[in-house]
Amino acid sequence: TQLLEQSPQFLSIQEGENLTVYCNSSSVFSSLQWYRQEPGEGPVLLVTVVTGGEVKKLKRLTFQFGDARKDSSLHITAAQPGDTGLYLCAGEGWGKLQFGAGTQVVVTP
Amino acid sequence: DAGITQSPRYKITETGRQVTLMCHQTWSHSYMFWYRQDLGHGLRLIYYSAAADITDKGEVPDGYVVSRSKTENFPLTLESATRSQTSVYFCASSEWRRSFDEQYFGPGTRLTVT
Repeated sequence: TQLLEQSPQFLSIQEGENLTVYCNSSSVFSSLQWYRQEPGEGPVLLVTVVTGGEVKKLKRLTFQFGDARKDSSLHITAAQPGDTGLYLCAGEGWGKLQFGAGTQVVVTP
Repeated sequence: DAGITQSPRYKITETGRQVTLMCHQTWSHSYMFWYRQDLGHGLRLIYYSAAADITDKGEVPDGYVVSRSKTENFPLTLESATRSQTSVYFCASSEWRRSFDEQYFGPGTRLTVT
């Protein structure tokens, strides 16, 4: 089983601050996805990164896939209360997704 | 409505009872998945299906049974519920034409086994 570890488990910041969430594994993944989940709902895909070293930007969110395709990071610039949620990374291998335990982000006004 | 739906949204059952969680999608996606979500474990794959009448085990299949007679439905049955099966269950679907295609998740079923 490929193990994905996310850190930190919980992050509480003030509006306007920056934050970074990490997703690490000892295994190589074909691709890595980031999802956001809000209370009472299912996860929703934010981005998929496929190529080692790839960087993708989605407004204030920047996603990076490690050169060796074993790790990834999510950076949020000038966080807003609407960014509050559970952020999950998921590595794809053998046609299935392996999810990390998630990082709960709380952004207070 | 278009999309992926799950029923019931909440269920309380007793230990030893059989319970079935329903999942229905309107996109005609080939792939469907069942996950359970528990604190500290994230989402863990229970079973998945590549097409009607094709199912396979995921990471935590013990105590669960699935079937897929129609493309749009993928019910999950707990044959004899145990307290350790108390969890939030998510169904997802995907076209999966490429290995990294998006999975679309339902709203979840919160199951409590007493």
